[in-house]
Amino acid sequence: EAGVTQFPSHSVIEKGQTVTLRCDPISGHDNLYWYRRVMGKEIKFLLHFVKESKQDESGMPNNRFLAERTGGTYSTLKVQPAELEDSGVYFCASSQPDRSSYNSPLHFGNGTRLTVT
Amino acid sequence: DAKTTQPNSMESNEEEPVHLPCNHSTISGTDYIHWYRQLPSQGPEYVIHGLTSNVNNRMASLAIAEDRKSSTLILHRATLRDAAVYYCIPTNAGGTSYGKLTFGQGTILTVHP
Repeated sequence: EAGVTQFPSHSVIEKGQTVTLRCDPISGHDNLYWYRRVMGKEIKFLLHFVKESKQDESGMPNNRFLAERTGGTYSTLKVQPAELEDSGVYFCASSQPDRSSYNSPLHFGNGTRLTVT
Repeated sequence: DAKTTQPNSMESNEEEPVHLPCNHSTISGTDYIHWYRQLPSQGPEYVIHGLTSNVNNRMASLAIAEDRKSSTLILHRATLRDAAVYYCIPTNAGGTSYGKLTFGQGTILTVHP
């Protein structure tokens, strides 16, 4: 099966610009997550979708970040306007919705490396 | 979230077993212990998880202490491809927080040919 795919793999933008990251989860996975690692820090949870609904967005840093998952398939994460501290690697993950979802392993994509200059 | 303590780094030789320890003394009774690893330039990858009993899968074994305050990930024969950062992550089994993993610093495993 195809894994979680993320696009683009790299993005370099200037401060104040807008960037949209895309994630295609594994087909059939209702759960979709966004994580990020900023320079020198640990990987941090951003938010969790169940199908098209936001289950938990407690990790979103501020209102410059907007995540969507229209139709419950792929997801986008928009940063507008981007700031220098937004630089890092953004990971998307998905998991299948079985009855023990709390233990379904997360399948991660390889991430989008975002550089804000 | 339960706090974890892992060695910053470990080294191994190829074909030898590797034991990666993790202390999670504040783990709750319902937390599972998940292990993920991150190979260079890739996203994290699930390795194994368990609750109380030792677990085995094709990738590794997980030995959980009887008091559940620590666990050890065992790679039976390390390969160069096992060089990665290994994360021990207690995970709440209930509520709506599943999938909300708390990554620590992890252990950087270096495998020598």
